Amino acid sequence: AQTIHQWPVAEIKAVGSPLSLGCTIKGKSSPNLYWYWQATGGTLQQLFYSITVGQVESVVQLNLSASRPKDDQFILSTEKLLLSHSGFYLCAWSLEGGRYEQYFGPGTRLTVL
Amino acid sequence: GDSVTQTEGLVTLTEGLPVMLNCTYQTIYSNPFLFWYVQHLNESPRLLLKSFTDNKRTEHQGFHATLHKSSSSFHLQKSSAQLSDSALYYCALARNNYAQGLTFGLGTRVSVFP
Repeated sequence: AQTIHQWPVAEIKAVGSPLSLGCTIKGKSSPNLYWYWQATGGTLQQLFYSITVGQVESVVQLNLSASRPKDDQFILSTEKLLLSHSGFYLCAWSLEGGRYEQYFGPGTRLTVL
Repeated sequence: GDSVTQTEGLVTLTEGLPVMLNCTYQTIYSNPFLFWYVQHLNESPRLLLKSFTDNKRTEHQGFHATLHKSSSSFHLQKSSAQLSDSALYYCALARNNYAQGLTFGLGTRVSVFP
């Protein structure tokens, strides 16, 4: 069975500080991977997607970047956090081909002060 | 481009009454894939229903939806709402560029009261 893990579970950071969020998929090779952001009580905003190692496409950047260093790993980062980065960050995977349902990880709650 | 339009904002209803959340979509693809996700408070979205077959009812956990290509709709229904149905509901459409994943609607928040 596939499992998706995100780290950290929650983070409180200062404006201007760096950030790195991670996502790992186990039990599925070559998944499509996605990063989403959700403001508190808000809608899902897709940020990035990746169909293979080393290849990441941006949908909406929001002063963030993403990388896929391994087949099962997806990283979201920034060098300088803004207040507007606060929210819920979700990683999701789907079967290769992308035309299928996505399965979401448990998410990381980020508070920027 | 692809788009999804849902019932806007907040839907409040009394336990035991029926629920219907509207979802319409736009796509150039003739065989769209549609999904409903549910997100409870402090949780991540979870797949509720999916369909790519025209005029076929799909059901799960008391909810059902039918994809109607003629009207570009995929409305979510339940005959009797429960308190545990209080959540955020998203309708989603698989993008024409498969790799890009899903286009989500803005979400509909449902609050069920006793």
